[in-house]
Amino acid sequence: QSVLTQPPSASGTPGQGVTISCSGGSSNIGRNTVNWYQQLPGTAPKLLIYSNNQRPSGVPDRFSGSKSRTSASLAISGLQSEDEADYYCAARDDSLNGVLFGGGTKLTVL
Amino acid sequence: EVQLVESGGGLVQPGGSLRLSCAASGFTFRGYDMHWVRQTTGRGLEWVSTISSAGDTYYPVSVKGRFTISREKATNTLYLQMNSLRAGDTAVYYCARGNDYGGTPTMDVWGQGTTVSVSS
Repeated sequence: QSVLTQPPSASGTPGQGVTISCSGGSSNIGRNTVNWYQQLPGTAPKLLIYSNNQRPSGVPDRFSGSKSRTSASLAISGLQSEDEADYYCAARDDSLNGVLFGGGTKLTVL
Repeated sequence: EVQLVESGGGLVQPGGSLRLSCAASGFTFRGYDMHWVRQTTGRGLEWVSTISSAGDTYYPVSVKGRFTISREKATNTLYLQMNSLRAGDTAVYYCARGNDYGGTPTMDVWGQGTTVSVSS
């Protein structure tokens, strides 16, 4: 399927851990790497994780990514208030011949 | 400092045209793939187009034939020519630099976005 499915919302309390899932299909996650983007309120998206589990310089190691077959996950440990944001997964889709984004997950830090 | 700055957004009537620009600085523009991504309130992020460093272009079905991506290496500027605009094209448009780690194109630098509104 040429759709990446994310839960619309997730939440946690400071210090807790949270995991956001991204479910795709054989034409996207099943064949290609996954990237994750963080979008803080009122700002542009920012690259958070690339190539399934790599962090760009400056991204804290509290953020980690993983991929298994046609699904991927973003894990955030030691939640902080500044982690409150929208998170998007993305993967190349071979049918689209371009990049597919998930619908986004709004993370609330309670 | 690596920077992308979009401009050219505005209000346009259905069927009209608009050209977006993205000024790049702080990196070797000609060596990178570049992308346009849009964001609507209800639909999240949507990939709009890609131009490779070699000049190859790619579009999703939703904009193919109506939008044209191009780049001017002499001025380090990326463009998006949008024709036959529809209400559904209303969005914030971001330009993004692509970095190739193999697999999915990675958008590692984003501009601040420019808003396009299509309405009569």
